[in-house]
Amino acid sequence: GIQVEQSPPDLILQEGANSTLRCNFSDSVNNLQWFHQNPWGQLINLFYIPSGTKQNGRLSATTVATERYSLLYISSSQTTDSGVYFCAVAGNNDMRFGAGTRLTVKP
Amino acid sequence: KAGVTQTPRYLIKTRGQQVTLSCSPISGHRSVSWYQQTPGQGLQFLFEYFSETQRNKGNFPGRFSGRQFSNSRSEMNVSTLELGDSALYLCASSFGAGGTQYFGPGTRLLVL
Repeated sequence: GIQVEQSPPDLILQEGANSTLRCNFSDSVNNLQWFHQNPWGQLINLFYIPSGTKQNGRLSATTVATERYSLLYISSSQTTDSGVYFCAVAGNNDMRFGAGTRLTVKP
Repeated sequence: KAGVTQTPRYLIKTRGQQVTLSCSPISGHRSVSWYQQTPGQGLQFLFEYFSETQRNKGNFPGRFSGRQFSNSRSEMNVSTLELGDSALYLCASSFGAGGTQYFGPGTRLLVL
């Protein structure tokens, strides 16, 4: 199956800083999503982005399908951005999740 | 539009028992997927249903089963519970198979 690697595994930022999270995948995909999991376990859909670039407020994402990676940018981070960010990809079958990036934003 | 709902939210069982978890998708969504999340294994795909048919199944033993009803609601069942089945079980729905997935709040299962 498709392998998904996320980096870095942990990230600590000061409020207001910018960050880039990376997701590498091992094969072509039909579906790529970024999620934020809050401390209560709820997974929030951030982007559906199998290719191209999208922006939503302070967050944006870019997927370069031909090079098999996706990037999630967080600008002007806030303490509420803390949590775990997951990248998930699907080829023809099941959706595979990366191990996540745990982001801590300090006030 | 109401989001994905899962019941129960918390559950405590003992080894050997069985459990049934329920998921109601977003209205109009016909695809439901189930995932298991544990600290050691992360998020793992269990199965996906679309229009009452299982489309895909993850690498889990036969003790894990599921079904989908005509109103798109889905249930998953775990028989002969083991300690290692303790996990957060997440359900996600999408309009079509392979579409954008929206997750429910999960069911936390503790097996003693």
